[in-house]
Amino acid sequence: DQQVKQNSPSLSVQEGRISILNCDYTNSMFDYFLWYKKYPAEGPTFLISISSIKDKNEDGRFTVFLNKSAKHLSLHIVPSQPGDSAVYFCAASARNYGGSQGNLIFGKGTKLSVKP
Amino acid sequence: EAQVTQNPRYLITVTGKKLTVTCSQNMNHEYMSWYRQDPGLGLRQIYYSMNVEVTDKGDVPEGYKVSRKEKRNFPLILESPSPNQTSLYFCASSSDPRLAGVSDTQYFGPGTRLTVL
Repeated sequence: DQQVKQNSPSLSVQEGRISILNCDYTNSMFDYFLWYKKYPAEGPTFLISISSIKDKNEDGRFTVFLNKSAKHLSLHIVPSQPGDSAVYFCAASARNYGGSQGNLIFGKGTKLSVKP
Repeated sequence: EAQVTQNPRYLITVTGKKLTVTCSQNMNHEYMSWYRQDPGLGLRQIYYSMNVEVTDKGDVPEGYKVSRKEKRNFPLILESPSPNQTSLYFCASSSDPRLAGVSDTQYFGPGTRLTVL
């Protein structure tokens, strides 16, 4: 059973517009969420994170929103740029609970295409 | 430059021929981990290590071995590779396995594309 779901395999957006990438999770023990960006032939790179004690975290053009009651988070990119075209992975971790700490559970990814 | 390196980057081998993919980090990180990425399945953790001589299974450990004899290195060993282990492999490291802060996020290597015929 997938604990982290990214239901949209792909998203196409016009340059300058907002990109919204969505992620749902099922495990209520997750308390830390991250977004990674991945270009072809490279490893994933960290983009932005949010702790479960917050509902929003902003870093430049990137904002992550967390809705704990709905077990849903989203990544907003405003304005979108062609260089943002990549695969975006949502990941979750249960930092403060037992078991495999540091085990990041990843979604399947969403491929974002930003058209000039 | 802080980085995670993996070797080889590309490898084609045959079923049953033992192989090792090396991973090394220069950030003095305690925590290291191996993932595999497959189409439609995202990234799945194979093994992780909280510190030297401490290793644990991730979500998909079958058919893999690891060792952590020194802090900087975390090799992935396939004793008898099979075609279902054809995948893209990523090594990652972080200073704090709990990912307590942004600075403790996992840093990923460039990936190793393995094909088992």
